[in-house]
Amino acid sequence: DTAVSQTPKYLVTQMGNDKSIKCEQNLGHDTMYWYKQDSKKFLKIMFSYNNKELIINETVPNRFSPKSPDKAHLNLHINSLELGDSAVYFCASSQASSGEQYFGPGTRLTVT
Amino acid sequence: DAKTTQPTSMDCAEGRAANLPCNHSTISGNEYVYWYRQIHSQGPQYIIHGLKNNETNEMASLIITEDRKSSTLILPHATLRDTAVYYCIVRPHGGGGADGLTFGKGTHLIIQP
Repeated sequence: DTAVSQTPKYLVTQMGNDKSIKCEQNLGHDTMYWYKQDSKKFLKIMFSYNNKELIINETVPNRFSPKSPDKAHLNLHINSLELGDSAVYFCASSQASSGEQYFGPGTRLTVT
Repeated sequence: DAKTTQPTSMDCAEGRAANLPCNHSTISGNEYVYWYRQIHSQGPQYIIHGLKNNETNEMASLIITEDRKSSTLILPHATLRDTAVYYCIVRPHGGGGADGLTFGKGTHLIIQP
């Protein structure tokens, strides 16, 4: 069974569109994350979320918003997509903000 | 910003032990050392973590110096599948809140056949 899954794996869309990436974890973890890996391969935290708080990296534009329908899911919504949003987005989860985090396979977003 | 320094790249012969160094001279008393790796086109994978004692699991061993200012990840018998970028990260283990990981540039380990 896949521990952390993301859909879709690839997403190609045009500038200005709104899109969502879904993430699900079946590990029973209470904390989930979104990371962005740009073309230079730098991995950066975007959001951390548990049932108590949402921590937003201050560099993330407010066009990005995480939404958690339940503890097992943390979806990423992106409005008004821009060329610079092209990257690989990784979802991850952990128990109680542990440093031992489990990552999904990534979603490669290409904005044209 | 990452609080660790790692060599950009390293080579290792298949079957030999791969020793990956990491400097973290400003590590705080409550911070652990974590190691992750990212195989090409995959998500990062947790390997091991430790506070001050040496640790070993089925994937690797972690050696932390007594002053905790540096550490070495050891892959005892490297295989071609161990070719990846290895990240050394320092952070508190947990303790509430929801903090992500701060990745640096990592070490690109290439296992040679």
